[in-house]
Amino acid sequence: EAGVTQFPSHSVIEKGQTVTLRCDPISGHDNLYWYRRVMGKEIKFLLHFVKESKQDESGMPNNRFLAERTGGTYSTLKVQPAELEDSGVYFCASSQIASVRGQYFGPGTRLTVT
Amino acid sequence: QKEVEQNSGPLSVPEGAIASLNCTYSDRGSQSFFWYRQYSGKSPELIMSIYSNGDKEDGRFTAQLNKASQYVSLLIRDSQPSDSATYLCAVIITSGTYKYIFGTGTRLKVLA
Repeated sequence: EAGVTQFPSHSVIEKGQTVTLRCDPISGHDNLYWYRRVMGKEIKFLLHFVKESKQDESGMPNNRFLAERTGGTYSTLKVQPAELEDSGVYFCASSQIASVRGQYFGPGTRLTVT
Repeated sequence: QKEVEQNSGPLSVPEGAIASLNCTYSDRGSQSFFWYRQYSGKSPELIMSIYSNGDKEDGRFTAQLNKASQYVSLLIRDSQPSDSATYLCAVIITSGTYKYIFGTGTRLKVLA
């Protein structure tokens, strides 16, 4: 069974540009989560999809971030326009049901905004 | 006060010893607790989950939960150099959602 995959693994963009990150969850997992780790800080929750619906987007930092999950399969996270403080590692995780059981993480996308 | 706190380390232990990793949390209503292992540049990997007070053992790993004292710990017996990684404590708080609240992680070094 393939795990959670993310693309790209690393992105370097200039301030003001747009970047789109992609996450493919484990097949059959309705629940998809985005997290972000800024250097030196803990991993922080961004949002949670159940299928194509946003269940919880309380962690999204501002309206420069837009997450979508059309069709309830893969998800994209777009940052537009990117700012320096957006640099960090963006993780995606998925789980089969929304429960207190474990989430499975992808390898992350390292975003560097210069 | 952070919601989930861990000592960042590094925690160094000799090969074969017991490594003890600790985590405290602030929300007394928290119900679910997880330990993840993360090698540098890799994804966090779930190694243990615990929901009830007491100990839960899985191979060389034992998770311990004490809700009264609001701490959860991870013991690694017979530590191996391959156990060297960052160990992340994650908590699901009772907010009606299932988001993890993470600690900053403890870096473990097992010395051969």
